[in-house]
Amino acid sequence: EAGVVQSPRYKIIEKKQPVAFWCNPISGHNTLYWYRQNLGQGPELLIRYENEEAVDDSQLPKDRFSAERLKGVDSTLKIQPAELGDSAVYLCASSLGPAENYEQYFGPGTRLTVT
Amino acid sequence: KQEVTQIPAALSVPEGENLVLNCSFTDSAIYNLQWFRQDPGKGLTSLLLIQSSQREQTSGRLNASLDKSSGRSTLYIAASQPGDSATYLCAVRQETSGSRLTFGEGTQLTVNP
Repeated sequence: EAGVVQSPRYKIIEKKQPVAFWCNPISGHNTLYWYRQNLGQGPELLIRYENEEAVDDSQLPKDRFSAERLKGVDSTLKIQPAELGDSAVYLCASSLGPAENYEQYFGPGTRLTVT
Repeated sequence: KQEVTQIPAALSVPEGENLVLNCSFTDSAIYNLQWFRQDPGKGLTSLLLIQSSQREQTSGRLNASLDKSSGRSTLYIAASQPGDSATYLCAVRQETSGSRLTFGEGTQLTVNP
């Protein structure tokens, strides 16, 4: 069974440029998460989707970050414009549903470097 | 606000040693606690998930315990191997936060041959 797929794996951009990350969750997983992991720290949730609906985006910096999951399957996270402090690993995860006892499965992440 | 702390931040041991990683959390109203492994440049792999009603979970050479009332969990690794070298993260799921996981900063483990 394929795991969570993310692309690109690495991205280097100059500050003020836009960037987008793509995630395809495990087939049948209705819940999708985007996390940001700064160097030496644990991941922090940015946004959670239940199917097409963003149900928890309280920690998403909405002035420059946006996300979509139009058909309730794959998802895109965008940053525009990028800042130096956005350099981090962006992780996507999915689970069968929103219930607390469902495990989250993580993708390999996209490592973003803003110069 | 929930805070998760992991001690030590880094640990280096010789192969074959038994070791314990510690995780503490400030708010004991958790639904469950999960231990993950992260290899360099890779995502997180779930190792063990302990429900709040459970005291421990075991998988192979790994044993995780949970003391919810005191806000502590330990991950015990028996007979460590070089392949165990990775960063180990613990995460808690609050009763009031739905599916949101709050992570610690991790313990970077190196097992020397």
